Amino acid sequence: DSGVTQTPKHLITATGQRVTLRCSPRSGDLSVYWYQQSLDQGLQFLIQYYNGEERAKGNILERFSAQQFPDLHSELNLSSLELGDSALYFCASSPSISGSYEQYFGPGTRLTVT
Amino acid sequence: GESVGLHLPTLSVQEGDNSIINCAYSNSASDYFIWYKQESGKGPQFIIDIRSNMDKRQGQRVTVLLNKTVKHLSLQIAATQPGDSAVYFCAENSNYKLTFGKGTLLTVNP
Repeated sequence: DSGVTQTPKHLITATGQRVTLRCSPRSGDLSVYWYQQSLDQGLQFLIQYYNGEERAKGNILERFSAQQFPDLHSELNLSSLELGDSALYFCASSPSISGSYEQYFGPGTRLTVT
Repeated sequence: GESVGLHLPTLSVQEGDNSIINCAYSNSASDYFIWYKQESGKGPQFIIDIRSNMDKRQGQRVTVLLNKTVKHLSLQIAATQPGDSAVYFCAENSNYKLTFGKGTLLTVNP
């Protein structure tokens, strides 16, 4: 158990809908990272927050957004969902602002768009 | 249309043998590297890391080697066990972002 929690574990929704994925980092970690893992793209970095502020952006679509709250939990919002958004979404946390430190991954949320 | 799956390199070894998983990274400015293990249905799990000022680092049954000249990283697993069967990813850090490789599927035969 990494100490990172994610909810829900599974999510099935229809195209055009909007969903929110939730992540609670390890106690004391200020950085939260979101990743998408699909069959044909591997593990792709989406976005990082550090202590409530956006710090780095990767291959995140404009239909996707995230935020980190004062209690450090984070939410990833996915809107206007398409079939291609079906994937595993992982959250990771780290005590460091930079990437030069171990990231601890949650169990993931499996999103299926039908 | 038909979706194309991610064709992972695969390594099949016998239980008790040593395994070597290789990874080529892309950015010569990367200063930190990690190996992760991902079992089916689970999130990536940290195995070992190494900073760019080192060539070798050892953990319990695992060793990471870094060759900056050819931008190559390897993970050596000693006395491989069935529980080591998983997908192994290398990741490099540059510009505050971790970039993951495609992964290698390790299968351990009893």
